[in-house]
Amino acid sequence: QSALTQPATVSGSPGQSITISCTGTSVDIGSFDLVSWYQQHPGKGPKLIIFDVTERPSGVSIRFSGSKSGNTASLTISGLQPDDEATYYCCSYTSASAFYVFGAGTDVTVL
Amino acid sequence: QVQLVQSGAEVKKPGASVKVSCTVSGYTLTEFSMHWVRQAPGKGLEWMGGFDPEDGETIYAQEFQGRVTMTEDTSTNTAYMELSSLKSDDTAVYYCAREVGFYASGSTSFDTWGQGTLVTVSS
Repeated sequence: QSALTQPATVSGSPGQSITISCTGTSVDIGSFDLVSWYQQHPGKGPKLIIFDVTERPSGVSIRFSGSKSGNTASLTISGLQPDDEATYYCCSYTSASAFYVFGAGTDVTVL
Repeated sequence: QVQLVQSGAEVKKPGASVKVSCTVSGYTLTEFSMHWVRQAPGKGLEWMGGFDPEDGETIYAQEFQGRVTMTEDTSTNTAYMELSSLKSDDTAVYYCAREVGFYASGSTSFDTWGQGTLVTVSS
């Protein structure tokens, strides 16, 4: 059972914007700005796309952005493209025993 | 160019142990902390453990404590993850992941991942 809650699926049409939520608690997302997001295409390893809630690594498209409010972090993909079809995972540091926790993942479908 | 190259797929019987290696290039192993994450077939990512530079110790997820050991050989720039008393539920792809920053610094992420090692546990 994942400690962070994500919707199972989110879909959108090309060019649209979508937002994926990631809900934690006061011992993880609510207390630390240490949320990262990973994109995983089928059969591939995860790729870092957002770190420290809002920061984008060099080379990652500006269409990806992150935010946080209270115990919930969010990933927004603007100008949706076919290659954005993948599974997205959030991750947070936690002061509970787990140290780092992931969400269960959200499958993004481009209609 | 930073790369993490993992050892090949393994097939093990229940009760056995497996040791997965992760050889890094493009940087020195001691410069950053290494963590291990696994992914069961069709499932999500699960953090297993990693080095905590704040305490100088390796931290393991509670689920794996007593069964997992993570080590490093600095002479070969290789990290290892050994999991014992294997069960069918341990069938998964195991990833090593480099941590940039660490929690106490106010910035952290897993910026580079190995290609993954499939471990199959079957009788």
